Amino acid sequence: KAGVTQTPRYLIKTRGQQVTLSCSPISGHRSVSWYQQTPGQGLQFLFEYFSETQRNKGNFPGRFSGRQFSNSRSEMNVSTLELGDSALYLCASSTGTAGGTEAFFGQGTRLTVV
Amino acid sequence: QKEVEQNSGPLSVPEGAIASLNCTYSDRGSQSFFWYRQYSGKSPELIMSIYSNGDKEDGRFTAQLNKASQYVSLLIRDSQPSDSATYLCAVNPLNFNKFYFGSGTKLNVKP
Repeated sequence: KAGVTQTPRYLIKTRGQQVTLSCSPISGHRSVSWYQQTPGQGLQFLFEYFSETQRNKGNFPGRFSGRQFSNSRSEMNVSTLELGDSALYLCASSTGTAGGTEAFFGQGTRLTVV
Repeated sequence: QKEVEQNSGPLSVPEGAIASLNCTYSDRGSQSFFWYRQYSGKSPELIMSIYSNGDKEDGRFTAQLNKASQYVSLLIRDSQPSDSATYLCAVNPLNFNKFYFGSGTKLNVKP
């Protein structure tokens, strides 16, 4: 059974640019959540998509957005990149049903903004 | 107050000893609790989930949950150097798939 696939693994961008990250969840999983991980702030929740709808949102500015496609694949976009956006971006896949199901992480995309 | 609190460590234990990792959470309505292991430069890996008060054992790992005290712990028996990693406690309140993570406890198992 294939795991969670994130692409690309590494990205280097300059300030002001935008970036799109992709996440393919485990087959059969309908929920994809996105997290930002930095040494100072730890793992912070960005948003969650379930069946193409954003179901939860964290406390990040509107520059961070996402979407989910009918095949459950999800993309995350960050516009007008800032140096502080440098981080490991992780997506987590789960069935998304009630009760807090187990979530499995992809390998992450390491974004460096210069 | 953070939603999930963990001692950042490092926690150092000798090989073969029991490592005890602790976590407290603030949302009394939280229903689901998870422990993840994260090796340096890698993504978090789910190792335990627990939903009810009491103990849950899986191999060398035991998760303990006390909802009245809002406390979750992870015991690692017969610790091995390969257990050296950062252990993240995650809590899911009633909201779907919105996990709150602690900052993680770094565990060092010395041969």
